[in-house]
Amino acid sequence: KAGVTQTPRYLIKTRGQQVTLSCSPISGHRSVSWYQQTPGQGLQFLFEYFSETQRNKGNFPGRFSGRQFSNSRSEMNVSTLELGDSALYLCASSRQDARQYFGPGTRLTVT
Amino acid sequence: AQKITQTQPGMFVQEKEAVTLDCTYDTSDPSYGLFWYKQPSSGEMIFLIYQGSYDQQNATEGRYSLNFQKARKSANLVISASQLGDSAMYFCAMREGNFGNEKLTFGTGTRLTIIP
Repeated sequence: KAGVTQTPRYLIKTRGQQVTLSCSPISGHRSVSWYQQTPGQGLQFLFEYFSETQRNKGNFPGRFSGRQFSNSRSEMNVSTLELGDSALYLCASSRQDARQYFGPGTRLTVT
Repeated sequence: AQKITQTQPGMFVQEKEAVTLDCTYDTSDPSYGLFWYKQPSSGEMIFLIYQGSYDQQNATEGRYSLNFQKARKSANLVISASQLGDSAMYFCAMREGNFGNEKLTFGTGTRLTIIP
């Protein structure tokens, strides 16, 4: 069974631009969660989607948004990028049997 | 208060020895789950083991076992017979509430280095 996939793996953007990251969950998994990992703040929860609905949201500004499609694939968008948005963005999928599986991450660098 | 506390920023262990990584948690919810993940330098978070708050027995997955002490609110990861490939960051995480809340709260991690 294929794991969680994330595209792109690496991304370099300029301040003020916007970016869209994609996550394809494990087949059969309907929940997708997004996390931001930085050296200073560690791993922080962004939001979680289930059946195309945002079910839970972390403490991030409105520049961070997401959506989920009917095939459970999810996208995350960050508008008006800031230097502090440079991070590893991880998504995780679950079938609600407790175990959550992560993708390889997208490493975003904002210059 | 920190919900997940990992007090060992770094550990050095001789190859083939067993290693215990500490994790304490704080929650008032009677239903919760505890996770351990391994993160190599590549960045991917690899699921290792899961323990539910109502599970009667300690979880085991191959060389990994979870020493779950509910009254002490600790969930230590034990790796038996360590290997060089075990060198990585290890994160303890908690999900509170029942299924439907998939948000994980992570600790700050422990960097494990296996010495040949």
